Amino acid sequence: NAGVMQNPRHLVRRRGQEARLRCSPMKGHSHVYWYRQLPEEGLKFMVYLQKENIIDESGMPKERFSAEFPKEGPSILRIQQVVRGDSAAYFCASSEDGHSGNTIYFGEGSWLTVV
Amino acid sequence: AQSVTQPDIHITVSEGASLELRCNYSYGATPYLFWYVQSPGQGLQLLLKYFSGDTLVQGIKGFEAEFKRSQSSFNLRKPSVHWSDAAEYFCAVGAHSDYKLSFGAGTTVTVRA
Repeated sequence: NAGVMQNPRHLVRRRGQEARLRCSPMKGHSHVYWYRQLPEEGLKFMVYLQKENIIDESGMPKERFSAEFPKEGPSILRIQQVVRGDSAAYFCASSEDGHSGNTIYFGEGSWLTVV
Repeated sequence: AQSVTQPDIHITVSEGASLELRCNYSYGATPYLFWYVQSPGQGLQLLLKYFSGDTLVQGIKGFEAEFKRSQSSFNLRKPSVHWSDAAEYFCAVGAHSDYKLSFGAGTTVTVRA
């Protein structure tokens, strides 16, 4: 049973470009979460999605960031017009349902570097 | 809202020595508590978790953690560290009614020979 799969693992973008990060949850998991880890900091919650629905995006920056989890295919975190401050590790996690009692499993992360 | 404090930013320990990493949380009710380990350039691996019941929790790789409600703590311990334990360790707290985890800033562990 494959774990949470993220790609790309490393991404370099110039300021002003778009970054797209993909996440395939574990088999049987329909709940996806995105977290961001800035240098020297812990992970911060960004967004929680179920298939075709954004449940909670309270941690997402108001501009330039968006996320989706379509009926078919992976969840995508999109960052438009990237800036240096977007350089971070972006982790996707999934769970069987949205109850906090269930363990969420993290992917290996996507490291975004903005130059 | 819940929050987590990991007071030690960096700990250096000799191989074979014991290790204890501190974690203090803030939450009004009984929390769900987790410890994750992250090796450089890697994702997070769950070491152990506490939901309820026995306050001493056993995890993988020889780690254990003890939930102390009176101290709002969930410290991680290992009796004898191995060089492969060098990594960053994150404590996280979740609420029973919420799906979000709040993470501490992490403790980096260096193991010297």
